[in-house]
Amino acid sequence: DIQMTQSPSSLSASVGDRVTITCRASQGISNYLAWYQQKPGDVPKLLIYDASTLQSGVPSRFSGSGSGTDFTLTISSLQPEDVATYYCQKYNSAPLTFGGGTKVEIK
Amino acid sequence: EVQLVESGGGLVQPGRSLRLSCAASGFRFDDFAMHWVRQAPGRGLEWVAGISWSRRDIDYADSVKGRFTISRDNGKNSLYLQMNSLRPEDTALYYCARCWGYNSFFEHWGQGTLVTVSS
Repeated sequence: DIQMTQSPSSLSASVGDRVTITCRASQGISNYLAWYQQKPGDVPKLLIYDASTLQSGVPSRFSGSGSGTDFTLTISSLQPEDVATYYCQKYNSAPLTFGGGTKVEIK
Repeated sequence: EVQLVESGGGLVQPGRSLRLSCAASGFRFDDFAMHWVRQAPGRGLEWVAGISWSRRDIDYADSVKGRFTISRDNGKNSLYLQMNSLRPEDTALYYCARCWGYNSFFEHWGQGTLVTVSS
């Protein structure tokens, strides 16, 4: 099975900083990758699918890129409401594996 | 508005069974694949099982294969997860989620139902 590895596992950044989260697949998955945001105590929310397509209603400061095995989620200007754990998920085939998550905090 | 409402969670002893349900509304249920995703307390997300709209395609995570069975009743707009031989490591919040396609991303999530396996 394909493994999904996220890095870092946590980060602390200042409001307005550019934040980048990486997700690496153990084998190529084309662009079959999604990103989710889960705020504390809340349900996961779809941010990006097909590696770079922004879900409707998601702020434009979020962007995704990558293909094959290496992917990134970028927050161009971190806001207080972005405090959350972010997960990548591959969906080229079952199992629909998630990455281990990246917890984002405000410095 | 898409709504997914899980039920059936609770406290159960190791080795026993539990059946989760997910009631769907606000969309044509038999047009979409559905999945179960779980999250152990303080841990990350783990995909559990998925079923296509026609029930032709069904897959399970290795961790639950042979113990859990996913099913759906399109006439009742409902998704189910029969969980047998439960283990303490199955303790988690179980979400049902709607997929755009069978192997796809999860557009909509329920609020989850908590399963606790403990003696």
